[in-house]
Amino acid sequence: ETGVTQSPTHLIKTRGQQVTLRCSSQSGHNTVSWYQQALGQGPQFIFQYYREEENGRGNFPPRFSGLQFPNYSSELNVNALELDDSALYLCASSRRDYPHQETQYFGPGTRLLVL
Amino acid sequence: QKEVEQNSGPLSVPEGAIASLNCTYSDRGSQSFFWYRQYSGKSPELIMSIYSNGDKEDGRFTAQLNKASQYVSLLIRDSQPSDSATYLCAVGHDMRFGAGTRLTVKP
Repeated sequence: ETGVTQSPTHLIKTRGQQVTLRCSSQSGHNTVSWYQQALGQGPQFIFQYYREEENGRGNFPPRFSGLQFPNYSSELNVNALELDDSALYLCASSRRDYPHQETQYFGPGTRLLVL
Repeated sequence: QKEVEQNSGPLSVPEGAIASLNCTYSDRGSQSFFWYRQYSGKSPELIMSIYSNGDKEDGRFTAQLNKASQYVSLLIRDSQPSDSATYLCAVGHDMRFGAGTRLTVKP
């Protein structure tokens, strides 16, 4: 167990709806990253939050947005869901004190199905 | 060119053999490198991290990094059927992943 939790574990939505996924970081971690993993692919970096600020973003449209809270937990919000958004969404937490990047530990993921 | 490239496999080795997994990356400024293992239906779990050129050993696993060649590899000695999984290479502070190499260890 990594100490990183995600909710919900599974979710079914219809096209056009909005979804919020949640992640609780491992104790002592101040950085959270979100990834999308389609079937048979490696995780694709969505964005990273460090001390409540977005700290890097991958090639995802603005309808993917996020938040990090003072307790370092995080949310991923996806608006106007599309069929291609169906994937496993992974959250990973780490402790980052520049310039050092410590290892990220993954939560179990949320599997989203868009119909 | 993809940022992080891995052979998709599948790579099949007999039990007890050495499995060699390779990864190349495009960002010459990358400073951190990670190998993760992912079983089907599960989230990735860390095997090793490496930050300096050379070899780093942990049990049956050895990571090798060559920044000049922009190349990182993972060797698994005495491969076991339980090592059968997809192995993901990740590069950089925001961990850009390759597509993964599927490894099968046959008894």
